[in-house]
Amino acid sequence: QLQLQESGPGLVKPSETLSLTCTVSGGSISSSSNYWGWIRQPPGKGLEWIGTMYDNGRRHYNPSLKSRVSISVDTSKNQFSLKLSSVTAADTAIYYCARERADGTFWFDPWGQGTLVTVSS
Amino acid sequence: EIVMTQSPATLSVSPGERATLSCRASQSVSSNLAWYQQKPGQGPRLLIYGASTRATGIPARISGSGSGTEFTLTISSLQSEDFAVYYCQQSNNWPRTFGQGTKVEIK
Repeated sequence: QLQLQESGPGLVKPSETLSLTCTVSGGSISSSSNYWGWIRQPPGKGLEWIGTMYDNGRRHYNPSLKSRVSISVDTSKNQFSLKLSSVTAADTAIYYCARERADGTFWFDPWGQGTLVTVSS
Repeated sequence: EIVMTQSPATLSVSPGERATLSCRASQSVSSNLAWYQQKPGQGPRLLIYGASTRATGIPARISGSGSGTEFTLTISSLQSEDFAVYYCQQSNNWPRTFGQGTKVEIK
């Protein structure tokens, strides 16, 4: 059974870069029709898609974050990562990693448990 | 960007009753619509994809319907474990977008 687990600093200073890693277990990150994404949720609010890495290095990012975000994959470690630069308090959120599955349509499953990142000096 | 609008924001239902949640897209998303359940302190859990296909392990009392711009999630007989927040999400276009959520609470 595929499982995802986020890791990274829980506190980031304003203007710095937020860096998170998602470790995939129970399956290969290189499997076809599996893509790797990040979603965030400010405390007490709804879900916001950040971006997904698809095959052949193709990436799609949320335009609201596009200039600051980068997603990469390390197949040797079965991990993928998120970098968000120039963070402000508005980037404080629970960050989830998830597999975006494709089979005629797309959906996110499974999700990691999430990690809270607070932006504060 | 496709805007997803869910209604109502909060639904108060008694155990054993039926719950009907709505999700509307600002433009057609065909059948590229998923539903998720989220409980406090947990990540979202996939319930439905392709507008009407139940995910693995999801009970038959939970069903999805609709296409184009209007979608419905129905829970036929609410159990205690069904009280949670529900989100719809479209995957027809980028950026992927979610509705703001419907909280199903005990009446």
